[in-house]
Amino acid sequence: QVQLQESGPGLVKPSQTLSLTCTVSGGSIISGGYYWSWIRQHPGKGLEWIGYIYYSGSTYYNPSLKSRVTISVDTSKNQFSLKLSSVTAADTAVYYCAREVLPASNLDYWGQGTLVTVSS
Amino acid sequence: QSVLTQPPSVSGAPGQRVTISCTGSRSNIGAGYDVHWYQQLPGTAPKLLIYGNTNRPSGVPDRFSGSKSGTSASLAITGLQAEDEADYYCSSYAGSYSWVFGGGTKLTVL
Repeated sequence: QVQLQESGPGLVKPSQTLSLTCTVSGGSIISGGYYWSWIRQHPGKGLEWIGYIYYSGSTYYNPSLKSRVTISVDTSKNQFSLKLSSVTAADTAVYYCAREVLPASNLDYWGQGTLVTVSS
Repeated sequence: QSVLTQPPSVSGAPGQRVTISCTGSRSNIGAGYDVHWYQQLPGTAPKLLIYGNTNRPSGVPDRFSGSKSGTSASLAITGLQAEDEADYYCSSYAGSYSWVFGGGTKLTVL
C-alpha cells in the first residue's frame, strides 16, 4: 500500500518561500508510470493543481503559478518537494501531495494534507 | 472561477439517486480527455472515486458510476447513504501538461 506524507513548516511569513516535502512509502518513486503531484486547497474552497514531476526530473507547472513554483525529486530518499516563492496570504491553503497514474492521469494516492498559513 | 463547472450543491434522501454534472469545453473534456471524480469527506484528503470517465477503483461501491458525453461528464450515486455526504470534484486534462478541477459539489443527504 503506497502512502504519501507531507511535511514542512505550518507558518510562513509573507514574501518568503514555502517549502514542503512529500515522503513516499510502500513504493518506489523511480518506478515508471507515475507523476508525483502537488495540489492545494484554499480554506473552504476547491482543489487547485500546482504541478508534477517525473522521477527523471521532468516538471510541469500550473501556468498561473509557474513563475513561483519549483518541484524537485530526491530519489535516494524517495521524496519529492515543493517550493513556492514570494508567498502572500493568498497562498494560505492545505497542500496535498499525490501520485498520478500514467497514462490515465488520475490521482490514486493522496497524502493527508498539511495546512500552510502565510502570516507575519 | 473554475474551468470545469459543477453545481455548488445537490441533495437527496437516503435511498434516492442523485447526479452531479461537470461541464467543460472543447479544450478539455470536449477534446476527448478523460474525466476523473474524487470524493472528499469532511476533514480528509480527496479520494479517487471514478477514473477514466467510467471506471471504479477497487473498493468503490457500484452505487457510484460515471459517464461522459461531449463537453460534459456526470457522476451518479444510487441508493444514497448518509456516509455519501461529502464534496465531489471532477478533473480533466487541459492540454499543455496541465490539469484542471471543477469547483466542487457539496452533497447533502437529507
